[in-house]
Amino acid sequence: AQSVTQLDSQVPVFEEAPVELRCNYSSSVSVYLFWYVQYPNQGLQLLLKYLSGSTLVKGINGFEAEFNKSQTSFHLRKPSVHISDTAEYFCAAKLFSGGYNKLIFGAGTRLAVHP
Amino acid sequence: EPEVTQTPSHQVTQMGQEVILRCVPISNHLYFYWYRQILGQKVEFLVSFYNNEISEKSEIFDDQFSVERPDGSNFTLKIRSTKLEDSAMYFCASGILDLNTEAFFGQGTRLTVV
Repeated sequence: AQSVTQLDSQVPVFEEAPVELRCNYSSSVSVYLFWYVQYPNQGLQLLLKYLSGSTLVKGINGFEAEFNKSQTSFHLRKPSVHISDTAEYFCAAKLFSGGYNKLIFGAGTRLAVHP
Repeated sequence: EPEVTQTPSHQVTQMGQEVILRCVPISNHLYFYWYRQILGQKVEFLVSFYNNEISEKSEIFDDQFSVERPDGSNFTLKIRSTKLEDSAMYFCASGILDLNTEAFFGQGTRLTVV
């Protein structure tokens, strides 16, 4: 079965430190990859997406992610985090399945930024 | 900026009751989705809808669930006889094309079954 794995359920980090949130996917077919952020009591907001082309994609709020096909990874990074980045981050993959599509989400990583 | 809107934001219902969760997708979108997130768990796909019919559904989406686009603007999820385990955040999403664009999510409806 196709799946998305987020290796860390929680990542604590100090303000202004760099952070990497890991995501791996399993798929034998073409896949589009996304990172969504969920702030407390809010919906899902798209951070960035990889469809094709350059493997390094930049998103909102200073986040970027790198698609690595050989390692089937799509890790999210930010060089310097802020308190306001505290949220749940979801990696998702859109797989081609029978001509239709759906997003497969990882379990999420809770990023906690401390002063 | 156009957005997906969901109502109500929070609904409490008694077990066995029917609930309808409402969504207004972005106006020029053609693909519609429902996802749910049980507290503390991952976001799970329920159903996708295109051209006035279900295009795909998960094993979660059993006979208790149904979706409808009654008037060309609203997109509803009905749960006929709610169970305690239906308590979750339900997200509606819509998209222009199915393959290479992201889905835009609403703020969610928190359903609590008591």
